[in-house]
Amino acid sequence: EADIYQTPRYLVIGTGKKITLECSQTMGHDKMYWYQQDPGMELHLIHYSYGVNSTEKGDLSSESTVSRIRTEHFPLTLESARPSHTSQYLCASSGYRESGNTIYFGEGSWLTVV
Amino acid sequence: KNQVEQSPQSLIILEGKNCTLQCNYTVSPFSNLRWYKQDTGRGPVSLTIMTFSENTKSNGRYTATLDADTKQSSLHITASQLSDSASYICVVSDRGSTLGRLYFGRGTQLTVWP
Repeated sequence: EADIYQTPRYLVIGTGKKITLECSQTMGHDKMYWYQQDPGMELHLIHYSYGVNSTEKGDLSSESTVSRIRTEHFPLTLESARPSHTSQYLCASSGYRESGNTIYFGEGSWLTVV
Repeated sequence: KNQVEQSPQSLIILEGKNCTLQCNYTVSPFSNLRWYKQDTGRGPVSLTIMTFSENTKSNGRYTATLDADTKQSSLHITASQLSDSASYICVVSDRGSTLGRLYFGRGTQLTVWP
């Protein structure tokens, strides 16, 4: 059972608002990821982190930013939300010592910008 | 271009029947292949992970096969249950970077009818 949590699960906000999606894991994993997934489509990597104070942009360009101040916490922030940001955001983590290097996903955050 | 193609896109079967989902990939250099199950509105959950040297791996009623020569994988579900209704995602990892970049298929949407 994965110990990775995302909040909020569902959120509807107005255009121009600032939003932070929270992601926490209690497995001590070094690597953490943020993926964006539209319904029926594949996951796209938007940010990842190897460890504390390490963040990189992923394959899909995103206007969001991330931070990794603590190992267990990897929040994603949109400074000014737009309707094009409407999507599901999935946080994931994996550890160097994990058997088979399994990647664990959170339940996802559904963001709707109106 | 590294790609992961899954077929069929969607599938409907009756409860108790077996089914096989396909995954073809062009990712190189290959590191490992994973199958995930994603229930609607939830995060993906790992079913199996296979490396280059593994041909078959089972997880309960799920059996994954890998042919690294032809770059094909299949996921066989035995005696399907209503709870098997979900999207099944094939994910291939390369060895081209420290991160082990992941390439996601679009998934096969399986519906099990009573």
